[in-house]
Amino acid sequence: GENVEQHPSTLSVQEGDSAVIKCTYSDSASNYFPWYKQELGKGPQLIIDIRSNVGEKKDQRIAVTLNKTAKHFSLHITETQPEDSAVYFCAASRGVIKAAGNKLTFGGGTRVLVKP
Amino acid sequence: EAQVTQNPRYLITVTGKKLTVTCSQNMNHEYMSWYRQDPGLGLRQIYYSMNVEVTDKGDVPEGYKVSRKEKRNFPLILESPSPNQTSLYFCASSPSLAGGYEQYFGPGTRLTVT
Repeated sequence: GENVEQHPSTLSVQEGDSAVIKCTYSDSASNYFPWYKQELGKGPQLIIDIRSNVGEKKDQRIAVTLNKTAKHFSLHITETQPEDSAVYFCAASRGVIKAAGNKLTFGGGTRVLVKP
Repeated sequence: EAQVTQNPRYLITVTGKKLTVTCSQNMNHEYMSWYRQDPGLGLRQIYYSMNVEVTDKGDVPEGYKVSRKEKRNFPLILESPSPNQTSLYFCASSPSLAGGYEQYFGPGTRLTVT
């Protein structure tokens, strides 16, 4: 089955600096890669996703890049703010293959702390 | 408000005492799923359901049961809880069976089994 590894497990950055989280996956059939943010005491919430036909996607201060050949994808947060402090999870899925269901395989998570 | 609700939010129980964690969504989603979250392991899927009366095992189904008698509800049942089931549990739903779409998570249930 799919295996997703995520690094680093913790990340401390100064407010205004950039943060980068990296994930690798093992299943070459995976074609959908979402990122979820989990704030303290809450469930994960989707912040950005990318499909395999795209190499990069940006939404304001966050961006995701995908390298299908190397089987890795990354989350970039620029101009970090205290409200970016949270746990971030990457995930991989076979996406639109109905037989596989809507199954997400998650990475281990990265705890991001933005220091004022 | 569109949401996934779980109850209870916190639960402390003893080994062997049957318990049920309820999950309900008001978005008319067909796909529902249960995950457990453990430090360093991320979220792992326990069971999922693609429709009423249609459920299947995820990656870590041992010790758990589920049912889907109504579209909106997807309870997680622990018939005989053990300490290794101490974890943070999340229910999620999605409008798509096929994947590639957002999953909406509930607020979580923190379970401690002593």
